[in-house]
Amino acid sequence: NAGVTQTPKFQVLKTGQSMTLQCAQDMNHEYMSWYRQDPGMGLRLIHYSVGAGITDQGEVPNGYNVSRSTTEDFPLRLLSAAPSQTSVYFCASSYSIGYSYNSPLHFGNGTRLTVT
Amino acid sequence: DQQVKQNSPSLSVQEGRISILNCDYTNSMFDYFLWYKKYPAEGPTFLISISSIKDKNEDGRFTVFLNKSAKHLSLHIVPSQPGDSAVYFCAASGGSSNTGKLIFGQGTTLQVKP
Repeated sequence: NAGVTQTPKFQVLKTGQSMTLQCAQDMNHEYMSWYRQDPGMGLRLIHYSVGAGITDQGEVPNGYNVSRSTTEDFPLRLLSAAPSQTSVYFCASSYSIGYSYNSPLHFGNGTRLTVT
Repeated sequence: DQQVKQNSPSLSVQEGRISILNCDYTNSMFDYFLWYKKYPAEGPTFLISISSIKDKNEDGRFTVFLNKSAKHLSLHIVPSQPGDSAVYFCAASGGSSNTGKLIFGQGTTLQVKP
């Protein structure tokens, strides 16, 4: 059981380049989300999705796009990378958004992105 | 506006002693709280949670306490083991403005010395 799989593990971009961070889960989870982790800032929610075809913004959505065409996949797109987007990105999923019902988030192992 | 705060960036304890990690929140609408543990180069993993209708939840060596009037929760690890050395994040959810959102604190790095 793979859980939540993120690719790539590492990426270096130049300012202005675009790229897509991939996230796939095999647990048939309806809820998926993207977080970024920065020193002293903890984990901040970028975008989330409560099901295929439905997405919404989190705390820090600017500069990122998402779409959810299938239950399994939730890619994160950087259209024009900026040095401020240097971070570790985590994708997560859960059975539902009702965290109180034995449905904690399952995280992938992260993508470390550097923008020069 | 940081809705969930962990004011201690780091904590060091001796093996066998108690570790107490603290977390404060500002949003009174939060109704569910969780602790996650993170090792280097891995994603966070769920540790323990508590609903706002309770003030304590225990799971083995881990106990979470919730003080709603103070908007404060704490994680107790007894006895602490070297394998507990990790970054610990508290998180909160709830309230109509936070539907679908799990808000995390900044994290506390715990070091347990043998």
